[in-house]
Amino acid sequence: NAGVMQNPRHLVRRRGQEARLRCSPMKGHSHVYWYRQLPEEGLKFMVYLQKENIIDESGMPKERFSAEFPKEGPSILRIQQVVRGDSAAYFCASSPTLAASTDTQYFGPGTRLTVL
Amino acid sequence: DQQVKQNSPSLSVQEGRISILNCDYTNSMFDYFLWYKKYPAEGPTFLISISSIKDKNEDGRFTVFLNKSAKHLSLHIVPSQPGDSAVYFCAASETGGSEKLVFGKGTKLTVNP
Repeated sequence: NAGVMQNPRHLVRRRGQEARLRCSPMKGHSHVYWYRQLPEEGLKFMVYLQKENIIDESGMPKERFSAEFPKEGPSILRIQQVVRGDSAAYFCASSPTLAASTDTQYFGPGTRLTVL
Repeated sequence: DQQVKQNSPSLSVQEGRISILNCDYTNSMFDYFLWYKKYPAEGPTFLISISSIKDKNEDGRFTVFLNKSAKHLSLHIVPSQPGDSAVYFCAASETGGSEKLVFGKGTKLTVNP
């Protein structure tokens, strides 16, 4: 029973390049969340997606950042024209469904992005 | 504006004793609370949660207490073990919305043998 998978685990980019981070949710989970953790900080919500739909992107920077969760394949967090301030750990979480009570979100191991 | 606050960046306890980690929140719309444990270079691992309709939830060595009037919750670990050494994050969410989690900054727990 595989957990949430993220790849790559480490990603180095130069300023101005693009970064693509992938997340495969746990089997049977249809909800994906992306969070960012800056050094010495807690995790900050970025975006919540279901298959083919963005439900809440209130935490996403207005420019350069985008996310998708296609019908087939993993969820992708895309950062265009990266800057040094984008260096952080990016975590993906998944949950099975939004039923009567909140479902626990299970996290992947994260992708550590370093922008040179 | 931090809606979830963990005011102790670190805590050190002796093996076998009780560890108490505290968390305060300001948003009265929060009604579901979770604790996660995180080791370096890994993702957060879910520990225990509590709904606002309860004031206590217990799971083995871990107990979470919720005081809604004070907007305060705490995680008790007893007895503490060296393997419990990690960063503990408190998180909160509102049901009925997208249920995004709002995290505190974490408390680093060190359990000394």
